[in-house]
Amino acid sequence: GNSVTQMEGPVTLSEEAFLTINCTYTATGYPSLFWYVQYPGEGLQLLLKATKADDKGSNKGFEATYRKETTSFHLEKGSVQVSDSAVYFCARRPTGNQFYFGTGTSLTVIP
Amino acid sequence: SQTIHQWPATLVQPVGSPLSLECTVEGTSNPNLYWYRQAAGRGLQLLFYSVGIGQISSEVPQNLSASRPQDRQFILSSKKLLLSDSGFYLCAWTMGTRTGELFFGEGSRLTVL
Repeated sequence: GNSVTQMEGPVTLSEEAFLTINCTYTATGYPSLFWYVQYPGEGLQLLLKATKADDKGSNKGFEATYRKETTSFHLEKGSVQVSDSAVYFCARRPTGNQFYFGTGTSLTVIP
Repeated sequence: SQTIHQWPATLVQPVGSPLSLECTVEGTSNPNLYWYRQAAGRGLQLLFYSVGIGQISSEVPQNLSASRPQDRQFILSSKKLLLSDSGFYLCAWTMGTRTGELFFGEGSRLTVL
C-alpha cells in the first residue's frame, strides 16, 4: 500500500526539550517525503522535504533524514520553543500525482 | 511567485443548502489541484484532485463534487449539505514532478447546522 504511519499524539514538552516525532512509510518505489506544520486555524505549510535516500531536510532547526533501510523519516529538533506548538504531518509522494499523509501529531510546548 | 487563495474563509450553512468553495492559483500554469477535508482533530482526507481542465478524480464517494472550469481554478460544490460535511476544507496545488511539494491555501471552515 501507500500508507504513512505517524507517531500518535498529543505530545507535550517543556521549552528547550528535544523533540522526536516518528514517521514510517510503506516502501513502494522511491517516494519523496515531506513534513508539514499546521498552526491553529491555518492551512498546512511545508516544513522540510527530502527527495531521495539519505537526504536530510532541514528548516527552522527541524531536521529529518530519509532512511530507506528503515523506511522512516523522523522529525527532530534539538530545542523546542513555545512557538513550535502546532500539528505536524508526515507525507509521502510516490511517483504520480497523489500525496499520502499521516494522521498528524499535535505538539504543545509549555514555558 | 506562486500564490493560492481560497474562499470563503468561514461559512455557516443549514443542512440541505448548497455549497460552493472556490480556489485559485496564481503564478503558475497547468498545476495539479487538490481538495482535502480535515475533520476536527483528525488528519487529511483527499476528496478530489485534477491534473487538467475538466479532469477530476474522486477519491471518496459522497455528496460533494468538484469542477475545474479554468486552468487555475478549482471549485468544490454540493447540492445539499449534510451535517457530516462540516470541517476544514483545504485546497492545494503542486506541479507534476515527483519531487514537488503541495502548497496549501488558507483553508475554509464550514459548519453545517
